[in-house]
Amino acid sequence: GAGVSQSPSNKVTEKGKDVELRCDPISGHTALYWYRQRLGQGLEFLIYFQGNSAPDKSGLPSDRFSAERTGESVSTLTIQRTQQEDSAVYLCASPGPNTGELFFGEGSRLTVL
Amino acid sequence: DAKTTQPNSMESNEEEPVHLPCNHSTISGTDYIHWYRQLPSQGPEYVIHGLTSNVNNRMASLAIAEDRKSSTLILHRATLRDAAVYYCILRDGGTYKYIFGTGTRLKVLA
Repeated sequence: GAGVSQSPSNKVTEKGKDVELRCDPISGHTALYWYRQRLGQGLEFLIYFQGNSAPDKSGLPSDRFSAERTGESVSTLTIQRTQQEDSAVYLCASPGPNTGELFFGEGSRLTVL
Repeated sequence: DAKTTQPNSMESNEEEPVHLPCNHSTISGTDYIHWYRQLPSQGPEYVIHGLTSNVNNRMASLAIAEDRKSSTLILHRATLRDAAVYYCILRDGGTYKYIFGTGTRLKVLA
C-alpha cells in the first residue's frame, strides 16, 4: 500500500480482555517497529522485526504483550488480560530500505476501561 | 543505548527562525541523528537526518556539532503548521534500533 496501515484506529475494551492490533507496513519494507505512546508522553520502543531474524523484544513491558509478523508483511500486537495502564496509542513504523526514514502509521488508540 | 535530551518546550513567533537543540553526549560513531515531528493526533513524520555533516532539505536544516555530541534542528521560517512535538532520535547503525528522546513541544505564536 501507499503507507503504513494500522487497525483498528480506535479500540475500547474492558479490563481483562485480550486485544489484537494490526499493522500492514509499506510493501518492500523488511523491518517493522511497534511503539507505545501514553497520553502526553514520548514513544516507547516495544519490539522490532527485521526480515526472518529473531525479533528484538527488549521493549515489551510484560509477558502479557506479544507480537508476530508473517514474513515481511502484516504484524499483529497482542495484549492479553488488558489493564488500564495499557491505555495508549500503539504506533507501527517501517523504515525505508535506503535512507532508513521511518514511516509511521496513524496508530491504534487503545482505551481500557 | 545512547540517549538524547531536549528541552520540554519552546516558543517561536511566526515567520521567525527556530533552533531546536538536542544533546546526545553518548552517541557512538555509527549512530545517525534523525529528527521527527508529531502533529496533534497523528503519527510522527520524518523531518531530516544526518551522520556528521550539516544537512539541508525542503523542510529544515540540521546542524551537527563537530564532536557530534549535540545537534540543532533549524526551521528557517516558522509557520503555525510547524507547531508540533519535535523528536531527536539516534538510529543505532549497528542494530537499527531507533531510540526516541523526550521531544520538544514547539508553540508558534501568530
